[in-house]
Amino acid sequence: KAGVTQTPRYLIKTRGQQVTLSCSPISGHRSVSWYQQTPGQGLQFLFEYFSETQRNKGNFPGRFSGRQFSNSRSEMNVSTLELGDSALYLCASSPNGLLYSNQPQHFGDGTRLSIL
Amino acid sequence: ILNVEQSPQSLHVQEGDSTNFTCSFPSSNFYALHWYRWETAKSPEALFVMTLNGDEKKKGRISATLNTKEGYSYLYIKGSQPEDSATYLCAFSSGSARQLTFGSGTQLTVLP
Repeated sequence: KAGVTQTPRYLIKTRGQQVTLSCSPISGHRSVSWYQQTPGQGLQFLFEYFSETQRNKGNFPGRFSGRQFSNSRSEMNVSTLELGDSALYLCASSPNGLLYSNQPQHFGDGTRLSIL
Repeated sequence: ILNVEQSPQSLHVQEGDSTNFTCSFPSSNFYALHWYRWETAKSPEALFVMTLNGDEKKKGRISATLNTKEGYSYLYIKGSQPEDSATYLCAFSSGSARQLTFGSGTQLTVLP
């Protein structure tokens, strides 16, 4: 069974630009969650999508948005990039999502975003 | 804001030593506690998901215990090996906020 796939692996952008990251979950998993990790911080929850609907959202500004497609693939968009958005962005999938958080999350390798 | 704390922040042990780390979380409205291992240049890998007070789980040389009433979980590694070197993350889920709140992790280095 293929794991969670994130593309691209690395990305360099400049301030003010926007960026779109992609996450393909494990086949059959309907939930995709997104996390941000910055140096010295733990994984910070961004949002969760389940069956094309945003089910939960963390404490991030509206510049961070996402969507999920009918095949469960998810994209995350960050507009008007700031230097502080430089981070590792991880997505994770699970069959039924964080509403049933007694299920483990399956993580991708992440996208390393650098803002110049 | 839920506070999940892990200690120690980092740990160096010799090959063959046994070690343990702590994860502290809010003791009210508990739903689940997750442990993940995150090796450098890889993705976090689930070790355990624990839901019941008094739960003990084991996977090879790694085991974990859970005390929901006092709000802590211990992760134990018996006879540490260099391949155990990784960051160990715990994550808490409450009954009301169905999202995972992660601790900052314990970085373990096992010296050969």
